[in-house]
Amino acid sequence: GESVGLHLPTLSVQEGDNSIINCAYSNSASDYFIWYKQESGKGPQFIIDIRSNMDKRQGQRVTVLLNKTVKHLSLQIAATQPGDSAVYFCAENRGNFNKFYFGSGTKLNVKP
Amino acid sequence: NAGVTQTPKFQVLKTGQSMTLQCAQDMNHNSMYWYRQDPGMGLRLIYYSASEGTTDKGEVPNGYNVSRLNKREFSLRLESAAPSQTSVYFCASSEVGGANQPQHFGDGTRLSIL
Repeated sequence: GESVGLHLPTLSVQEGDNSIINCAYSNSASDYFIWYKQESGKGPQFIIDIRSNMDKRQGQRVTVLLNKTVKHLSLQIAATQPGDSAVYFCAENRGNFNKFYFGSGTKLNVKP
Repeated sequence: NAGVTQTPKFQVLKTGQSMTLQCAQDMNHNSMYWYRQDPGMGLRLIYYSASEGTTDKGEVPNGYNVSRLNKREFSLRLESAAPSQTSVYFCASSEVGGANQPQHFGDGTRLSIL
């Protein structure tokens, strides 16, 4: 679960466009995944979760897709707004009581 | 609702000093956690408490101790601070232990050790 580097990958999108943020996980035993949003100076905020027996889950303006074959998770944000600008983390639970492993994050920059 | 409250928000220490970071939650959650977040990195679990009266090590426990004071409060102690412990510390809680429950986070304590 070690993270990489000091510089977060950045995704820049235009307001109103759809955003797709990707996350690769390493452990095939992972059975629960969460996406978090972290605004500057704040703690992570829960967005949406998905269990390994599902491929897709939708929330309000957000969709999470899980591809277990290639161990890949994505977060889709529809009609991205300036308030969506933040760092987004995926977290995986490897079946061991609430021990989550976090990715290093992607910074979403929404241009007005 | 306050959710998860951490104190202090900022702190500067000298190498070798000790300090306790406080965390309290008002959601009646059973499980509580301490993480650290270093620049450009994801959160790493230091310690967690599945329920009142129990604590367990996470990924990076060395140099830290914890106390689950009661159901609401979970503190993190640095006995002899080192520059490598400069980080942002987050406390989190979740409803039940052993089940897949999202964690709710505080806004962090920014700790600098000189």
